[in-house]
Amino acid sequence: GENVEQHPSTLSVQEGDSAVIKCTYSDSASNYFPWYKQELGKGPQLIIDIRSNVGEKKDQRIAVTLNKTAKHFSLHITETQPEDSAVYFCAVSGGYQKVTFGTGTKLQVIP
Amino acid sequence: GAVVSQHPSRVICKSGTSVKIECRSLDFQATTMFWYRQFPKQSLMLMATSNEGSKATYEQGVEKDKFLINHASLTLSTLTVTSAHPEDSSFYICSARIAGGAAVEQFFGPGTRLTVL
Repeated sequence: GENVEQHPSTLSVQEGDSAVIKCTYSDSASNYFPWYKQELGKGPQLIIDIRSNVGEKKDQRIAVTLNKTAKHFSLHITETQPEDSAVYFCAVSGGYQKVTFGTGTKLQVIP
Repeated sequence: GAVVSQHPSRVICKSGTSVKIECRSLDFQATTMFWYRQFPKQSLMLMATSNEGSKATYEQGVEKDKFLINHASLTLSTLTVTSAHPEDSSFYICSARIAGGAAVEQFFGPGTRLTVL
């Protein structure tokens, strides 16, 4: 089955700095790569996603890059704010197949 | 749009009782819903895939007689934890996929915190 690794497990940044979270996957047939933000006691919220025919996607302060050859993708958050503090999960899917989640990154933005 | 609700948000029950958790897609139809379990400080683990009008598909190691899933309509799936025990205490999260089209996104509910005493 699919194996998704996510690094780092914890990340602390100063407010205004950038944060980068990286994930690798094993199944070359995977073609859908969402990122979720989960706040304490709540369900995951989709913040951005990318499909295999795109190398990069940006939405305001959030961007995701995908390298299919190397089987890794990254989440970039610029100009971090305290409200960005949460646990972030990458995920991988082969389209309509089940989604496999990474292990999560706890991001702390220090004011 | 694409809102998923869960009820209840929190439930505390005695060991040996059964608990039902509802997952509803509020503004869209979902032929497929997913049930996840999340332990503290861990990732989401898929328990089963719920398909409207058919039997759920369970992941390896998940007892189907323990975790009963019913997807009776295009907007409702239920998870019943039967004869709950303290080790069943966890955060249960559902998600739904919009029916039809090419959409593959899953929209998650807010989760249900189950505590078994």
